[in-house]
Amino acid sequence: QKEVEQDPGPLSVPEGAIVSLNCTYSNSAFQYFMWYRQYSRKGPELLMYTYSSGNKEDGRFTAQVDKSSKYISLFIRDSQPSDSATYLCAMIQTGANNLFFGTGTRLTVIP
Amino acid sequence: NAGVTQTPKFQVLKTGQSMTLQCAQDMNHNSMYWYRQDPGMGLRLIYYSASEGTTDKGEVPNGYNVSRLNKREFSLRLESAAPSQTSVYFCASSEWTNPHNEQFFGPGTRLTVL
Repeated sequence: QKEVEQDPGPLSVPEGAIVSLNCTYSNSAFQYFMWYRQYSRKGPELLMYTYSSGNKEDGRFTAQVDKSSKYISLFIRDSQPSDSATYLCAMIQTGANNLFFGTGTRLTVIP
Repeated sequence: NAGVTQTPKFQVLKTGQSMTLQCAQDMNHNSMYWYRQDPGMGLRLIYYSASEGTTDKGEVPNGYNVSRLNKREFSLRLESAAPSQTSVYFCASSEWTNPHNEQFFGPGTRLTVL
């Protein structure tokens, strides 16, 4: 079993839709949770970062962590064509140096 | 600031050939990393360097060697390339390996081993 599972999609939505992206994980020691955005043929860039359980909001983006269910989500409100990218979840435990990534979900927002 | 730069952008090798992937960062970061990205597998850590003068294995180190040449540069070497090493390779850097520190990624090197 992989440490981190992520539905690869692809996911296609109309402009303005609310998008929900999710990851599950098996290691209960993970404490730090990130979402990266990767445009085609580019390197990933950090979008959101959350420590432990709870919600974090940044503009149109909301990250949620439910440690009891080992489940994290990224919500994108009022999605834009510029949001079209692959979204990668990543997580790491305290004291570790190895980030574990999901496989990524490819999102297309149609104008 | 260029951030993290990688050379080359593309490379085709034959089985058994060797090559070195170069990475440099201009953010004065202490920690640097090499990842590979494969379809269906996500990004996996090959090696990392927590600080100048140190290197450690990541999740998938077999078949690779690394050198932290100085604080700015971190190279990845394939001594005898195999088709299983066909992948996109990303270098990243962060201030330290602390999980609070964001990792900044380079644009990647697309490697094909025939």
